[in-house]
Amino acid sequence: EPEVTQTPSHQVTQMGQEVILRCVPISNHLYFYWYRQILGQKVEFLVSFYNNEISEKSEIFDDQFSVERPDGSNFTLKIRSTKLEDSAMYFCASAVDRNGNTIYFGEGSWLTVV
Amino acid sequence: AQRVTQPEKLLSVFKGAPVELKCNYSYSGSPELFWYVQYSRQRLQLLLRHISRESIKGFTADLNKGETSFHLKKPFAQEEDSAMYYCALHGGATNKLIFGTGTLLAVQP
Repeated sequence: EPEVTQTPSHQVTQMGQEVILRCVPISNHLYFYWYRQILGQKVEFLVSFYNNEISEKSEIFDDQFSVERPDGSNFTLKIRSTKLEDSAMYFCASAVDRNGNTIYFGEGSWLTVV
Repeated sequence: AQRVTQPEKLLSVFKGAPVELKCNYSYSGSPELFWYVQYSRQRLQLLLRHISRESIKGFTADLNKGETSFHLKKPFAQEEDSAMYYCALHGGATNKLIFGTGTLLAVQP
């Protein structure tokens, strides 16, 4: 069964550093998402991406965050200048259409900001 | 406002006992409700969706619009059911899932 893959599985970075989290969505999917989960808290929506542009973003997704689909296969989340509170598990997801039942998640990337 | 509430952080039961994981939602339109499961160190996986009215791994969930609930049930818990369970809502024009805080199900032998 096709899967959404994410790299790295775990990254430790110093506060103020830039971080890029990478995702390879399922190949025929058209909708892409990033969610995050701070330890002990709920999974939160960050951003959705369709047709090479952001379709929706949450209040969390401020100017420090950006997403890109640089080469038609990868989908990246960049945090420009990391803060301690950015420490979380970041999940990439993809879907073939807008129906919630077709959203597939990656295994997540643990980001620890020290 | 759209919200999903899972009141129990932890539910501990013995093998063979019935399980009910509670989920309540707040949504003004007609929501789509889902249950996701996350086994230890694995990805979030879709377990159930209300529109299909299916039973997966013995789990069922019925959408009760009057009580705005979508509780997950299983008559006889198994040890392999131990995992984190998330209720999620997908609503209308917005193309995103809204998750509850999750319930950790621990099935004791």
